[in-house]
Amino acid sequence: DVVLTQTPPTLSATIGQSVSISCRSSQSLLHSNGNTYLHWLLQRPGQSPQLLIYLVSRLESGVPNRFSGSGSGTDFTLKISGVEAEDLGVYYCVQGTHAPRTFGGGTKLELK
Amino acid sequence: EVQLVESGGGLVQPGASLKLSCVASGFTFSDYWMSWVRQTPGKTMEWIGDIKYDGSYTNYAPSLKNRFTISRDNAKSTLYLQMSNVRSEDTATYYCTRLGWAYWGQGTLVTVSS
Repeated sequence: DVVLTQTPPTLSATIGQSVSISCRSSQSLLHSNGNTYLHWLLQRPGQSPQLLIYLVSRLESGVPNRFSGSGSGTDFTLKISGVEAEDLGVYYCVQGTHAPRTFGGGTKLELK
Repeated sequence: EVQLVESGGGLVQPGASLKLSCVASGFTFSDYWMSWVRQTPGKTMEWIGDIKYDGSYTNYAPSLKNRFTISRDNAKSTLYLQMSNVRSEDTATYYCTRLGWAYWGQGTLVTVSS
């Protein structure tokens, strides 16, 4: 199975600070069809996960543009340019290139 | 508005069977692949499996394939997860999600304990 390693496991930030979360894959996530099925989810406390970024860098509808995704192959990054209070929660990367689909271990974003 | 509403969770004894349901609304259910995902109490996320829009194909996590079965009734816009011979490690919140991760239910908690 593909292992997705997220770092850091916990991230402390102040409001307005820019932060980045890394997701590294044990295998390349480039599919033979040319797509890279790496996505980012946010789970706020007490809520279900929500999609932020799909296919590495595409912003889901309704998601603020302070969120951005980048990367290729095995290394991917989610960046938040100016953390807001509503951004607190656990961030997960998830891959769908290789079966079975797998999730990263999560990165908890908390207020400093 | 897309809605996914799971039900059927609860306290179940080891070795028992349980069937979860997910009722969909706000979109044409029969047009979409659907998935089940679970989240352990420690917040680990695990994909369980997918089912094709017409129910003709399913794909499972290898570790769960022999005990879990996904099915659907498009006439009722309902997705199912049949769990058999449950174990303590199956204790989790179970989510249905439309493939693509954009829509999730609120989850239903399954606790396996004697």
